[in-house]
Formats: sequence, structure tokens, C-alpha cells
Amino acid sequence: DVKVTQSSRYLVKRTGEKVFLECVQDMDHENMFWYRQDPGLGLRLIYFSYDVKMKEKGDIPEGYSVSREKKERFSLILESASTNQTSMYLCASSLIPGGISYEQYFGPGTRLTVT
Amino acid sequence: EDQVTQSPEALRLQEGESSSLNCSYTVSGLRGLFWYRQDPGKGPEFLFTLYSAGEEKEKERLKATLTKKESFLHITAPKPEDSATYLCAVQAHTNAGKSTFGDGTTLTVKP
Repeated sequence: DVKVTQSSRYLVKRTGEKVFLECVQDMDHENMFWYRQDPGLGLRLIYFSYDVKMKEKGDIPEGYSVSREKKERFSLILESASTNQTSMYLCASSLIPGGISYEQYFGPGTRLTVT
Repeated sequence: EDQVTQSPEALRLQEGESSSLNCSYTVSGLRGLFWYRQDPGKGPEFLFTLYSAGEEKEKERLKATLTKKESFLHITAPKPEDSATYLCAVQAHTNAGKSTFGDGTTLTVKP
């Protein structure tokens, strides 16, 4: 079974702090994703990585950056946390198969509260 | 731009009362349509992938079907443990692995 783990289930940070959210997958997947999920807004893609050191902005990248130094690890960084970044953060991974669609496997989520 | 609309937003059923959830989509070249289940406070869990119109997939009390414009998730004789939010997502051939998600249908099954 694919396993995607996230470093924390719950996190409380203060405004202005630098926050690191880490995600690790154990299935040698090429693609990794960071989403945030808010009531009434659904899943929104923050950043996407299709290979080590490669990244692409999603729909809402402002205020975030990412790092992918190793294939299995994808980090989301909030450079200076703000209260509007309070949310559920979800990491996911998927394969790049040869011409076939591929599902995403999600981690358990990190509930981040910025006070 | 790819779009996914799910209906209804919320659905309440009695145990054993069968029903269907709808996912309408527009996509430029469908690579695949996915269904996920999400329990409160957890990450989505993959259920099915459908690739082409006419395809069907089944798992326990769930059956997913696909046409050129929509997908249905049929729930037969649901149980309280089927209560969850069900998400639909589409992926286009041109989209480098990214999926577009709907907002989900929250299903509550009362005993």
C-alpha cells in the first residue's frame, strides 16, 4: 500500500513565524502535491512537483514556497505565517505511468492554526 | 479551463435507502475521472478511476459510472459507515498530472 505521511497532524504557530510542513511518500512516486482545504472552497492546489528540484505553481502559491531535494520528500514553507493561512494542509503523491491516468494518494493532513 | 461540479452538496439517507451522487465535468481531453472518499479531519482516500464513457467500477456498495459529460456514484443499501464526503476529480491529457477537484458531496446515512 502507498503510504504518504505528514510531519504533524496539528500545528499552532504565531503570526510572522516561518513554518515548515513536511511530506514523505514511500512508493517512488514522481509527482507530489500540496493542497489546502477550507470549508466552502474545496481543495486548492498550492504547488506541484513532477521531479526532484522541479516545481510548478498551483492556483494559490502566494505566501508559500516548496522544496524537493529528494524524490520521496516534499516540503511546504510558509515564509511568514499569517492568520489567513490557517487551514488544513494536504500532501499527495502520484505516479507518472506511460500514458495512463493516475490517482493521487493523500496524507492524513496537517491542521495549521496561525494566531 | 477544466471544471467539476458535484451535486447535491449534501445528502441524507436512511440506512438501506439507495441513491446516486452526480459529478458533471468539462475537460479538454479526459485522461481519467477519479472518485475519492474523505472522512472528517482526514485526507481523501482513492476509490475509483474511470477512463472512458461507458465504463463502470464497483466496490462493495459503491458503483461508479461514466458518460462523456458526467459520472455517477451509486450507493446501494448504504450503511452508517458510508457517511463521508465524496470527491470527484478529472485529469486532462494536457495537464501534466494535475487533477481538478469538485467541492464534494457530504453523505450522511442514518441508522
